[in-house]
Amino acid sequence: AQKITQTQPGMFVQEKEAVTLDCTYDTSDPSYGLFWYKQPSSGEMIFLIYQGSYDQQNATEGRYSLNFQKARKSANLVISASQLGDSAMYFCAMRDATDSWGKFQFGAGTQVVVTP
Amino acid sequence: DAGITQSPRHKVTETGTPVTLRCHQTENHRYMYWYRQDPGHGLRLIHYSYGVKDTDKGEVSDGYSVSRSKTEDFLLTLESATSSQTSVYFCAISERADGMGGYTFGSGTRLTVV
Repeated sequence: AQKITQTQPGMFVQEKEAVTLDCTYDTSDPSYGLFWYKQPSSGEMIFLIYQGSYDQQNATEGRYSLNFQKARKSANLVISASQLGDSAMYFCAMRDATDSWGKFQFGAGTQVVVTP
Repeated sequence: DAGITQSPRHKVTETGTPVTLRCHQTENHRYMYWYRQDPGHGLRLIHYSYGVKDTDKGEVSDGYSVSRSKTEDFLLTLESATSSQTSVYFCAISERADGMGGYTFGSGTRLTVV
């Protein structure tokens, strides 16, 4: 069963604006990790940000922040001050602590295009 | 230098031929994974390994087999390639299996089956 849902297949955002990418997840495990990865047109997968289920504060990494709403099972990525280089596919992923082998579940991805 | 490399980076093969993709790591990580990426599906797990000779199936394992005879190498084999296996294949490694550890990905292999 699909555990990660990204409802936005594609988005356009203007340079210097903020953009929010939606991600909802489903798990019964109280301990889990949430991740966002960026995939530019070159194809590599780049780790952006991590949020643990027990973390009290929302994760931030530079211009990236994760809006973590545990009760709603939501882990939205916010990119502030968008740059042309932010144009890429973005994947939300989850890893349950009860999965002994550390398997990830990925969402279908959101394609972001930043326009001048 | 990259701690994980995939080979080949690109391959075109004919339907019915066997194909082997290689993932090589220099990080001595225990956990290794093969995913395929297709539009609209994100990344889906094919097979994974939790040690030498310890492997198991993921959600889309039909038509694929794997082997791990050394910690550093994880091979994915398509026994008889079909057009539905045209995809981008990613290998990933992880030092830990709990919720906190992330993946390091290889650069991917673009496979086309004609």
